[in-house]
Amino acid sequence: EAEVAQSPRYKITEKSQAVAFWCDPISGHATLYWYRQILGQGPELLVQFQDESVVDDSQLPKDRFSAERLKGVDSTLKIQPAELGDSAMYLCASSHPKNEQYFGPGTRLTVT
Amino acid sequence: GNSVTQMEGPVTLSEEAFLTINCTYTATGYPSLFWYVQYPGEGLQLLLKATKADDKGSNKGFEATYRKETTSFHLEKGSVQVSDSAVYFCALDRSAGGGNKLTFGTGTQLKVEL
Repeated sequence: EAEVAQSPRYKITEKSQAVAFWCDPISGHATLYWYRQILGQGPELLVQFQDESVVDDSQLPKDRFSAERLKGVDSTLKIQPAELGDSAMYLCASSHPKNEQYFGPGTRLTVT
Repeated sequence: GNSVTQMEGPVTLSEEAFLTINCTYTATGYPSLFWYVQYPGEGLQLLLKATKADDKGSNKGFEATYRKETTSFHLEKGSVQVSDSAVYFCALDRSAGGGNKLTFGTGTQLKVEL
């Protein structure tokens, strides 16, 4: 069964350092989502791609976060510089447009 | 705005007990409603959904009915198993035309004991 892949699964970084997460969606899924899930809360959408284009980044803190999906397949989410408050689970999901979202296992980020 | 409110956890039950996890929502119009489940160390999985009022979503023995009059979508299961232990998230699609923009509740942890 096809799955959304994410790496790394765990990342510990010091504040002010740069960190990057990678996501490989299910083959053929044009829509890709990045979510942040703070411990004890539900996921919050950071950015949504349709193919290589950003369709919603209204909740992305653009002063330190960036996301790209250059060839419309895999995607990278970057934080620079990381802050203590960025400690969270970062989830990637993919879907056919307007269909069910399939989630990856997530990357747990700890900023020290 | 759009929001989802879930009962706080953890909910601890004995195996074979009846489960209810409450979910209410605030939204413009009549959004599609979802329950997702997150097992330890894994991503979220869609458990069930309902797209219009009075629809009942069901899967793996879980059920939820879209109640427009009470703006609720409570999750139920008649007999829980230890393997049902997980975090359950209620969510709504806040986009017009089913654009798949999800707003999640804070999640309810379920622990099932022998």
